[in-house]
Amino acid sequence: AQSVAQPEDQVNVAEGNPLTVKCTYSVSGNPYLFWYVQYPNRGLQFLLKYITGDNLVKGSYGFEAEFNKSQTSFHLKKPSALVSDSALYFCAVLRSNDYKLSFGAGTTVTVRA
Amino acid sequence: NAGVTQTPKFQVLKTGQSMTLQCAQDMNHNSMYWYRQDPGMGLRLIYYSASEGTTDKGEVPNGYNVSRLNKREFSLRLESAAPSQTSVYFCASREVLRTEAFFGQGTRLTVV
Repeated sequence: AQSVAQPEDQVNVAEGNPLTVKCTYSVSGNPYLFWYVQYPNRGLQFLLKYITGDNLVKGSYGFEAEFNKSQTSFHLKKPSALVSDSALYFCAVLRSNDYKLSFGAGTTVTVRA
Repeated sequence: NAGVTQTPKFQVLKTGQSMTLQCAQDMNHNSMYWYRQDPGMGLRLIYYSASEGTTDKGEVPNGYNVSRLNKREFSLRLESAAPSQTSVYFCASREVLRTEAFFGQGTRLTVV
């Protein structure tokens, strides 16, 4: 069963506008949540994570994400997008009772100048 | 600090051939993972190893075998390659339960 869902295949925004990439999860217990970014022909780079504590987490390159337990969501946000943010973004969840790290299908972000 | 190193970077196989993808990490991580990435499918977990001496099936293990040779190395073997195994394969490693995974640069495999 899919543990992580990214409902949008693509997100298109203009440079300077806010960027949101959505992620919902469906695992039991307390999840550990992650966001990664992949640039063309590269491996995945870690952006940020939620483990416990403050629901709003800040990460690399000005990105942040908000954990919402009632909505089982962990949306990635950036207040002002840059053209260089154009990439493929993955949400991932780690079940607290084992080591299985599962990824969503990915969302392609295109930021136009 | 090399991080996670995968070899080879590119490979073309004929249907029915076998090969082993190598992965090594120099971060003293306990857990290691193999994923495949296909367009529109995201990253799908093939096998993982929580610690040295243990391996577990992921979402798409059929047609693959793995070996956790030691703490550093985790190899993925295709015994009889099929065109459906054409993909980009990524290896990753993690330290303890809460930390993020580090990824290699990937192996692009084509089976003809």
